[in-house]
Amino acid sequence: EVQLVESGGDLVQPGGSLRLSCAASGFTFSTYAMHWVRQAPGKGLEYVSGISNTGSRTYYVDSVMGRFTISRDNSKNTLYLQMGSLRAEDMAVYYCARDYWDYWGQGTLVTVSS
Amino acid sequence: DVVMTQSPLSLAVTLGQPASISCKSSQSLVHSDGNTYLSWFQQRPGQSPRRLIYRASNRDSGVPDRFSGSGSGTDFTLKISRVEAEDVGVYYCMQATPWAWTFGQGTKVEIK
Repeated sequence: EVQLVESGGDLVQPGGSLRLSCAASGFTFSTYAMHWVRQAPGKGLEYVSGISNTGSRTYYVDSVMGRFTISRDNSKNTLYLQMGSLRAEDMAVYYCARDYWDYWGQGTLVTVSS
Repeated sequence: DVVMTQSPLSLAVTLGQPASISCKSSQSLVHSDGNTYLSWFQQRPGQSPRRLIYRASNRDSGVPDRFSGSGSGTDFTLKISRVEAEDVGVYYCMQATPWAWTFGQGTKVEIK
């Protein structure tokens, strides 16, 4: 059974940093690109970042470029999102999803507040 | 960036009646490989999104056949032939062209 389990969400002050993780199981992680999508409270889905199966290619939405870094460890079947210079507008539930978009995690909540 | 525009943004439907959601992209979604990378997702209250349709018209396994996707180029439609109570939620289109993914704003479907 394919499973994606996010963790790392927390309350952080504006300007702070946080690292999210997404633990994958039930499929060959190293053969799939992976993605992060977020959803601010009461708002729609926003694509955040993606990474190729080997990690050699990455993509970021403009609003997080230079502040967030996506990475993966195929030996640990884990996807990461390093978030820095956090702003109030980054507050959201963050989902990881497998390429082809057929499996999503349950999400992890990032709260940015002083 | 490709902009995805959904309409309507909210839809109240009587049980058993049809519903239709439009999604328009700012540029053609036909990829150089010949595929059209347009997907539809359902997000029920309190749940993660679930893919319903991929490549514009292919229904995912386990998705009821009352859901159908159609369209090509820049204009796409998700139809629910007979709305049921479990269909309440927000529906999103997403252009899944590799390395340029964007979502529509979402359409909230509720029961009248």
